[in-house]
Amino acid sequence: KAGVTQTPRYLIKTRGQQVTLSCSPISGHRSVSWYQQTPGQGLQFLFEYFSETQRNKGNFPGRFSGRQFSNSRSEMNVSTLELGDSALYLCASSRDWETQYFGPGTRLLVL
Amino acid sequence: GESVGLHLPTLSVQEGDNSIINCAYSNSASDYFIWYKQESGKGPQFIIDIRSNMDKRQGQRVTVLLNKTVKHLSLQIAATQPGDSAVYFCAENKAGSEKLVFGKGTKLTVNP
Repeated sequence: KAGVTQTPRYLIKTRGQQVTLSCSPISGHRSVSWYQQTPGQGLQFLFEYFSETQRNKGNFPGRFSGRQFSNSRSEMNVSTLELGDSALYLCASSRDWETQYFGPGTRLLVL
Repeated sequence: GESVGLHLPTLSVQEGDNSIINCAYSNSASDYFIWYKQESGKGPQFIIDIRSNMDKRQGQRVTVLLNKTVKHLSLQIAATQPGDSAVYFCAENKAGSEKLVFGKGTKLTVNP
């Protein structure tokens, strides 16, 4: 069974731009969670989607948003990028919310 | 509360030794715990999980111990190998909450 895939793997943007990251979960998994990983803050929860509905949201500003499609694929969007948004963005999928399997991440650099 | 990543604790062991990685979790209401391994340039990889109604669970070369009294979780790796070198994270979850809260992580280095 294929694992979680994320695209793109690397991205360079400038301040003020917006970015969309994509995640394809493991087949049969309906829950997709997004995390931000930085050296200073570690792994922090952004939001979780299940059957196209956001069930939980972390403490991030409204510039961070996401959505999930009927095939469980998910996207997250960051608008008005700031230097501090530079991070590894990880997507994880699970059948429900428990055991989450992570993708390789998208490394975003904001200049 | 939320765990905040600061400096990364490190553990250095010799190949073949047993490793013990510790984690203090924050929420006494948490009832599900997971250990993840993250190698450089990769996403976290599931290792083993344990529910709060257990105090020990064994996998292949790994054992997780849970002490709810002091909110402590540990991961034991038997006969540590160079391929075990990575950052190890514990994560906790409370029933009814759809998010994992991750610990700071511990960097394990295995010396040949």
